[in-house]
Amino acid sequence: GAVVSQHPSWVICKSGTSVKIECRSLDFQATTMFWYRQFPKQSLMLMATSNEGSKATYEQGVEKDKFLINHASLTLSTLTVTSAHPEDSSFYICSARGSGQGGDNSPLHFGNGTRLTVT
Amino acid sequence: LAKTTQPISMDSYEGQEVNITCSHNNIATNDYITWYQQFPSQGPRFIIQGYKTKVTNEVASLFIPADRKSSTLSLPRVSLSDTAVYYCLVGGTGGFKTIFGAGTRLFVKA
Repeated sequence: GAVVSQHPSWVICKSGTSVKIECRSLDFQATTMFWYRQFPKQSLMLMATSNEGSKATYEQGVEKDKFLINHASLTLSTLTVTSAHPEDSSFYICSARGSGQGGDNSPLHFGNGTRLTVT
Repeated sequence: LAKTTQPISMDSYEGQEVNITCSHNNIATNDYITWYQQFPSQGPRFIIQGYKTKVTNEVASLFIPADRKSSTLSLPRVSLSDTAVYYCLVGGTGGFKTIFGAGTRLFVKA
């Protein structure tokens, strides 16, 4: 089946530093990827949608200069949290919808998430 | 985007059948209905997807009435390991974004 690998699974960083999270589709090409953030006991909140080769579309309230998204290839998208602060501590999850798998109605495949803790 | 409404939580016992209903009154003609399961500190996992009537796979069944304004996820004979949050999503086809509702927290007791 389709596998999405997310790395790292957890990271601790100091306030003011930047952290990069990678999301890879291992056995399919992902034309569209989504990035979510999830706080404890809450649902996933969509941050942005990225399409390979074009700029990401950010949801209202999400700072594009703080959460840099790059989707340079059909198998890799990255999310960089720049100048991280403690309030950025959260669980970040990526998902991908492949091309050629059931067409436009293909279900999403999710990574296992990245737990970011900013001290 | 079609908004979804699910019960916040449900309790069940091992071996019972669990039915979780999702309302999506403004579902669009081209929208599919997809259910995901999420365990703590993990990404959601695809369970089942359907467009109309009934869909069954090795883990669940999905019932969709003719008007498609709701859907019911049926989990047969649940076990403790089915304790999780279940999300119903509508639409999100192709490049369209996928918005998660609050989900249903299922707690299975021994």
